[in-house]
Amino acid sequence: EDQVTQSPEALRLQEGESSSLNCSYTVSGLRGLFWYRQDPGKGPEFLFTLYSAGEEKEKERLKATLTKKESFLHITAPKPEDSATYLCAVQAAGQAGTALIFGKGTTLSVSS
Amino acid sequence: ETGVTQTPRHLVMGMTNKKSLKCEQHLGHNAMYWYKQSAKKPLELMFVYNFKEQTENNSVPSRFSPECPNSSHLFLHLHTLQPEDSALYLCASSQEWLSNTEAFFGQGTRLTVV
Repeated sequence: EDQVTQSPEALRLQEGESSSLNCSYTVSGLRGLFWYRQDPGKGPEFLFTLYSAGEEKEKERLKATLTKKESFLHITAPKPEDSATYLCAVQAAGQAGTALIFGKGTTLSVSS
Repeated sequence: ETGVTQTPRHLVMGMTNKKSLKCEQHLGHNAMYWYKQSAKKPLELMFVYNFKEQTENNSVPSRFSPECPNSSHLFLHLHTLQPEDSALYLCASSQEWLSNTEAFFGQGTRLTVV
């Protein structure tokens, strides 16, 4: 069964304290892995797409990496405005029309 | 105009009411989706429309009825809902159902069933 597990469930950081969020996945074949950011009461905002192991994408203080079993979202020197829930989703290959499978998310709190 | 717009943002309805959620996308996409987001649970796919045709119904109860009159608009008609249907309902769109491009989400409708 295709599955996405995110850890930790919640993460508290001090401003400037770098860390990583983990997304482990089990799929029959990966077509794409997606990272989203979601603020309370709002819809998910697209951040990155990764397609193959070894790929990396960067945006401001965020960097996403991908291996054959997991993805990491590295946050360098976070600021309070980075506080949000970060969602990971995968799209599986081999089955036409498969939609995104989401993890439960990691809620990040950054204090000044 | 933002990419994907949902109305209303908040809705409170009784179990005997009938209401509709509306979604509009201005991205030129051909696939549109309804997702349900409940507390402490992953986003759950409800329905998929690709070029106005329904391609997925993820075992959703019949009290939820989708409608897609064209590639830019998507509705979710609600009737005789239960309190456990209270959740954030999210609309999304992507280039095409079979593509592996990203989906863009609306702000959601926070639904409370009383």
